[in-house]
Amino acid sequence: KAGVTQTPRYLIKTRGQQVTLSCSPISGHRSVSWYQQTPGQGLQFLFEYFSETQRNKGNFPGRFSGRQFSNSRSEMNVSTLELGDSALYLCASSIGGTMETQYFGPGTRLLVL
Amino acid sequence: QKEVEQNSGPLSVPEGAIASLNCTYSDRGSQSFFWYRQYSGKSPELIMFIYSNGDKEDGRFTAQLNKASQYVSLLIRDSQPSDSATYLCAVNTGNQFYFGTGTSLTVIP
Repeated sequence: KAGVTQTPRYLIKTRGQQVTLSCSPISGHRSVSWYQQTPGQGLQFLFEYFSETQRNKGNFPGRFSGRQFSNSRSEMNVSTLELGDSALYLCASSIGGTMETQYFGPGTRLLVL
Repeated sequence: QKEVEQNSGPLSVPEGAIASLNCTYSDRGSQSFFWYRQYSGKSPELIMFIYSNGDKEDGRFTAQLNKASQYVSLLIRDSQPSDSATYLCAVNTGNQFYFGTGTSLTVIP
């Protein structure tokens, strides 16, 4: 089975711009979660989508949003980028249950200048 | 108080020794517990998970869970230089995953 894929792998943006990141989960997985990883804060949960609905949400501002499509692929959007948004953005997929193991994609490294 | 706490290390052990990594969590309702390994510049990869109190062994890895003490540990036997990485403890509360900031392990040849 193919693993979780994320595109693009690297992005450079400037402050004020917006960005969209994409995640394709493992085939058969219906849950996609998004995380931000920075050296100081570690892995922080952004949100989780299941069957095209946001099921859980972390403590991030409204500039961070996401959606999930009927094929379980998910996108994350960050508007009005700030320097502090520079991070590794990881998505993880699971079959769908609340106790299910999560499998991570390779991540998208975003640099905001 | 953070949901999941880990000693950031660095932890150094000689090759062949046992490495012991520890994690505490704050939510008593937490249901499942995971250990991930993350090499520098890579994404986390699952090592093992544990749901019930006690020990769970998988090859050179043993996870230990004590829900009364809200404590999870990972033992790595016969440590190898390839085990040098950051180890992340993750806790699933039923609503979301919480990750610790990770313990950096170096295995010295």
